[in-house]
Amino acid sequence: GDSVTQMEGPVTLSEEAFLTINCTYTATGYPSLFWYVQYPGEGLQLLLKATKADDKGSNKGFEATYRKETTSFHLEKGSVQVSDSAVYFCALIKNSGNTPLVFGKGTRLSVIA
Amino acid sequence: DTGVSQDPRHKITKRGQNVTFRCDPISEHNRLYWYRQTLGQGPEFLTYFQNEAQLEKSRLLSDRFSAERPKGSFSTLEIQRTEQGDSAMYLCASSPDGAVYGYTFGSGTRLTVV
Repeated sequence: GDSVTQMEGPVTLSEEAFLTINCTYTATGYPSLFWYVQYPGEGLQLLLKATKADDKGSNKGFEATYRKETTSFHLEKGSVQVSDSAVYFCALIKNSGNTPLVFGKGTRLSVIA
Repeated sequence: DTGVSQDPRHKITKRGQNVTFRCDPISEHNRLYWYRQTLGQGPEFLTYFQNEAQLEKSRLLSDRFSAERPKGSFSTLEIQRTEQGDSAMYLCASSPDGAVYGYTFGSGTRLTVV
């Protein structure tokens, strides 16, 4: 079945460091891809999305590019802040929309001042 | 639009008791989803509704679990005869039709079975 694999955490970075969180997927066809963020004690918030190959999703300084050839959707940010500390989830959904969103296991990011 | 609301935020129950959670989706969204999240894991799909019809159920949803969305608006998730393994965060989400929108999640209900 469809699946998402994320790099294992936790990831600990100093403030202003460069962030990459790797995500690869397995799916039939060409799904839509998402990154969600979960702050402590809260639900999931949509961070960014891309719906077709070569699309770049971006939000709040985060970016991810839909790479069909490598089945990847890596999350990047040029300069992280303490407030970015959270758990990040990569997810996919079939473009038919008739199957549910499938999540990776999440990657915990801690940013220290 | 106040987003997706879940009630209660926290529930502590004794093993063997029944519990019920409520979810109020975004009013224009006709799809509603329930997920379960355990510590250190990503959300796992349980079931979803399109309007009042329950269209899919995961095998994670044992016969002790039941979900309803009687008028296509709010939904309830009931767990009967709770077990310690049911302790988790239960997340509700809603979306319009179509895959490209992603889902809007509520803050979740954290269940602890003691």
